[in-house]
Amino acid sequence: SQTIHQWPATLVQPVGSPLSLECTVEGTSNPNLYWYRQAAGRGLQLLFYSVGIGQISSEVPQNLSASRPQDRQFILSSKKLLLSDSGFYLCAWAGASPSTDTQYFGPGTRLTVL
Amino acid sequence: DQQVKQNSPSLSVQEGRISILNCDYTNSMFDYFLWYKKYPAEGPTFLISISSIKDKNEDGRFTVFLNKSAKHLSLHIVPSQPGDSAVYFCAASAALYNFNKFYFGSGTKLNVKP
Repeated sequence: SQTIHQWPATLVQPVGSPLSLECTVEGTSNPNLYWYRQAAGRGLQLLFYSVGIGQISSEVPQNLSASRPQDRQFILSSKKLLLSDSGFYLCAWAGASPSTDTQYFGPGTRLTVL
Repeated sequence: DQQVKQNSPSLSVQEGRISILNCDYTNSMFDYFLWYKKYPAEGPTFLISISSIKDKNEDGRFTVFLNKSAKHLSLHIVPSQPGDSAVYFCAASAALYNFNKFYFGSGTKLNVKP
């Protein structure tokens, strides 16, 4: 069966510090991978998605970036965090078949920028 | 541009009664719809889906209805239980998006009172 891992579970960082959140998927090959953010009281905002190694698409302009160095690894980064980067970050995966697959979410990372 | 909308941010229902959560979409190309349930500080979990070739899909206490002409879907939970208290997100995608890009609503917080 497939599983998705995210770490760390919680993170408190000062403004201006760097960020690296990691997501890995097990039990599947060539998944589509996604990073979402849920700000306090808001819905899910798609930040990045990837259909393959090194292929990253950005949905919204921001000071975040994503990378996919391996097939089942997806990393969310920032060189300098802003207060507005606080939120709940979710990684998700889906099968490569179009439109019939469900997205499965990881447990999330709670990021607080002070 | 919010292509998937959940206009009710919250809903309160008595245990044992029916909960009806609504979702509207604007993109007529959407042909696959999902509902997710999310507890605080956890990732969303998949609940039920429906494709545009159907107008109803049931899974136990959960039924999703799709009205394509109205671009509207709803989730019915019968009977509602206190453990159903969570935030519910609807999501939609289109086959032409060959990377499973899902658009999420902003969520409805369901409170089932004992």
